Amino acid sequence: QKEVEQDPGPLSVPEGAIVSLNCTYSNSAFQYFMWYRQYSRKGPELLMYTYSSGNKEDGRFTAQVDKSSKYISLFIRDSQPSDSATYLCATTLKAAGNKLTFGGGTRVLVKP
Amino acid sequence: GAVVSQHPSRVICKSGTSVKIECRSLDFQATTMFWYRQFPKQSLMLMATSNEGSKATYEQGVEKDKFLINHASLTLSTLTVTSAHPEDSSFYICSARAQVRGDSGNTIYFGEGSWLTVV
Repeated sequence: QKEVEQDPGPLSVPEGAIVSLNCTYSNSAFQYFMWYRQYSRKGPELLMYTYSSGNKEDGRFTAQVDKSSKYISLFIRDSQPSDSATYLCATTLKAAGNKLTFGGGTRVLVKP
Repeated sequence: GAVVSQHPSRVICKSGTSVKIECRSLDFQATTMFWYRQFPKQSLMLMATSNEGSKATYEQGVEKDKFLINHASLTLSTLTVTSAHPEDSSFYICSARAQVRGDSGNTIYFGEGSWLTVV
């Protein structure tokens, strides 16, 4: 079993819809949670960073963490074709020197 | 957010030669940088953790003599692929740890990546 599980997709939505992305993790010691967006042939871009259960909002993006269920989510409101990319969840143990453990990534396609 | 620069973005080299990739933190100091490798349609695979002023820590299965890492300053880490072969062709990405204001932890920013093609 992978430490972080993420549905690979692809997830296809019409423009303007809400994109809902999820990851589950197995190690309850993970403390910090991140979402990255990666366009084809580019490095990952940090979207959201959280370290506590609950919701965190930034513009069209909302990150949700439920540590009791070991479940993290990312919601993208009013999706745009430019949101088409691969989205990677990542988590880390503070004691591990910030080595990130990634999910496999979900490919998202927003159709105009 | 913090900026991490990688150079070159693309490089083609002949089999048997060595190639160096640079990773720079442009607006912050990074005592720790990370090197990843990514194959098409796959997630990032951590190769090694680069610590300023000390030896890098390699992940299991990564040849330290093949992938030389030097972190000589607080803003620069280099990855040298020695005696490159076609199977080393891949997308190499670095990242650096930056302190985020108001948070108790650190967060990780990535470079743009470097495409290596060995012919």
